[in-house]
Amino acid sequence: EPEVTQTPSHQVTQMGQEVILRCVPISNHLYFYWYRQILGQKVEFLVSFYNNEISEKSEIFDDQFSVERPDGSNFTLKIRSTKLEDSAMYFCASSEGISTTNEKLFFGSGTQLSVL
Amino acid sequence: AQSVAQPEDQVNVAEGNPLTVKCTYSVSGNPYLFWYVQYPNRGLQFLLKYITGDNLVKGSYGFEAEFNKSQTSFHLKKPSALVSDSALYFCAVRDHSGGYNKLIFGAGTRLAVHP
Repeated sequence: EPEVTQTPSHQVTQMGQEVILRCVPISNHLYFYWYRQILGQKVEFLVSFYNNEISEKSEIFDDQFSVERPDGSNFTLKIRSTKLEDSAMYFCASSEGISTTNEKLFFGSGTQLSVL
Repeated sequence: AQSVAQPEDQVNVAEGNPLTVKCTYSVSGNPYLFWYVQYPNRGLQFLLKYITGDNLVKGSYGFEAEFNKSQTSFHLKKPSALVSDSALYFCAVRDHSGGYNKLIFGAGTRLAVHP
């Protein structure tokens, strides 16, 4: 089965530094997402992306966050100035569509971000 | 607001015994409900979904889930557990306020199947 790949698997950074988390969605998928999970808490929606623009974003996704699809394959999440509370597992996901017949999300294995 | 609750942090079951992982939901309108599983060092994998129709939904790896509207529940079940079923299980509901697959997840339940 095709997979969403994420790099790196672990990222350690200093508070205030910029980080970029990278994802390669499944090739024929059109919708892309970032979710995150703080240790011991729920998986939370961050943002969805379609047709080269943000479709929806949560309250978590403030001005420090941005997403980009710089080429035909990569989908990135940038955090401009990391805070301690940004430490979490970040999951990228993609889906072929959004109707009830093809809205199944495929998730990557995640990037564990640790902000020191 | 849409939400799901998974009341158990962990479920322990012996191999060969039936298993149930509980989930209750709170939604406005018709619920679109999902179960995802996360194996160690892997991303979340889709197991099954309920959109409409039969209350008993069958999914991957022999899992099924029963939608119960009166109890607002969507419990995950399997008749005979395998050690390889040990993983983290997430219940989720689609947030109808958005149009782009915004899922609201539960906190997850760790299933441990013992030989």
